[in-house]
Amino acid sequence: NAGVTQTPKFRVLKTGQSMTLLCAQDMNHEYMYWYRQDPGMGLRLIHYSVGEGTTAKGEVPDGYNVSRLKKQNFLLGLESAAPSQTSVYFCASSSRQSSDTQYFGPGTRLTVL
Amino acid sequence: GENVEQHPSTLSVQEGDSAVIKCTYSDSASNYFPWYKQELGKGPQLIIDIRSNVGEKKDQRIAVTLNKTAKHFSLHITETQPEDSAVYFCAAPNFNKFYFGSGTKLNVKP
Repeated sequence: NAGVTQTPKFRVLKTGQSMTLLCAQDMNHEYMYWYRQDPGMGLRLIHYSVGEGTTAKGEVPDGYNVSRLKKQNFLLGLESAAPSQTSVYFCASSSRQSSDTQYFGPGTRLTVL
Repeated sequence: GENVEQHPSTLSVQEGDSAVIKCTYSDSASNYFPWYKQELGKGPQLIIDIRSNVGEKKDQRIAVTLNKTAKHFSLHITETQPEDSAVYFCAAPNFNKFYFGSGTKLNVKP
């Protein structure tokens, strides 16, 4: 089992460019999450999904969109990147809900110039 | 939503000493409290968790205590080793969301 994988590992964008981050899990988990991690601020939830075809907003959803077309994949999109979106992005999954262990991917380091 | 506060932000201990990290939360409905360890360049990994129906849980050198009345929970690491050096996060759920503390950077000096 690979667990939770994320692609790409690193990316540099110019302001206004778009990109999609891919998260994949092979544990048949229902719940998937996207977080961003900034220095001194811990992990903040961007969007999450409670099952295939569903998405919901987290704490900091502005500037991001997500899709969960397949149960194993959760995509995070930036339509028009801004320097404030420079961060490390983590995907996580859990079998049921927030009372279950979350398994995290290795992260994507994004820099927006 | 939930408000989770974590202290201290940095902690430096000598190898073999104990380390304690504390978190408080605001939503009395929260019933699950995990602790994650994040090593440099990696994603967070669960090291221990506790549910609201118990006051303490141990796993070898790691223990977590929960005081629901005071709304705080703590991570205790005994006999610290250099490989314990990492950033530790507490978290508390609120409906389908997790709220994380701001993290504690633990440095264990050999």
